[in-house]
Amino acid sequence: AQSVTQLDSQVPVFEEAPVELRCNYSSSVSVYLFWYVQYPNQGLQLLLKYLSGSTLVKGINGFEAEFNKSQTSFHLRKPSVHISDTAEYFCAVSGAGGSYIPTFGRGTSLIVHP
Amino acid sequence: DSGVTQTPKHLITATGQRVTLRCSPRSGDLSVYWYQQSLDQGLQFLIQYYNGEERAKGNILERFSAQQFPDLHSELNLSSLELGDSALYFCASSVSVAQETQYFGPGTRLLVL
Repeated sequence: AQSVTQLDSQVPVFEEAPVELRCNYSSSVSVYLFWYVQYPNQGLQLLLKYLSGSTLVKGINGFEAEFNKSQTSFHLRKPSVHISDTAEYFCAVSGAGGSYIPTFGRGTSLIVHP
Repeated sequence: DSGVTQTPKHLITATGQRVTLRCSPRSGDLSVYWYQQSLDQGLQFLIQYYNGEERAKGNILERFSAQQFPDLHSELNLSSLELGDSALYFCASSVSVAQETQYFGPGTRLLVL
């Protein structure tokens, strides 16, 4: 079985500050890891994904994430956020037991203040 | 724009009624997934179809059913609706069952009164 825990339900931050959104996963086998973003009244958009190889993954809009197998984490970071980054962010895991159906975390609401 | 389209965008109906949600996958994608997003349960996988056949089932109620047609569009049927079925319903598509990346549509917001 696989599961995802997003440790913060809400993260407020000022514009141009750095941000880290935390994600921990649980799986007994190798997995694929994803971060999706959901802007208000829209569907989910893939930010980045880790399948294999380099543990530092770069995505769209200046976001990056680091896969840490020993800590079973996949935290999302951005060095300087913009107002337009205000959105809901979802971490997801798939691949356990050969299933490609992702399990999503409950989401983290990133609120960027001017 | 992900290339996945869903209709309608909004739907308001009464308890006990039946509704049909429609999804057209990205061009070339054979696999379609349905998800339900609610405040209580978060984003929950409902069901997956691949090239017209059911491939995986998640937390889908017996009152709900889905199908994928020869032109690859999919419909999710929700019947005997209850207040708790109010949610956002997303469709996603991928190239195949083994494709790790899913592309999500804009969703259908269902309100049951």
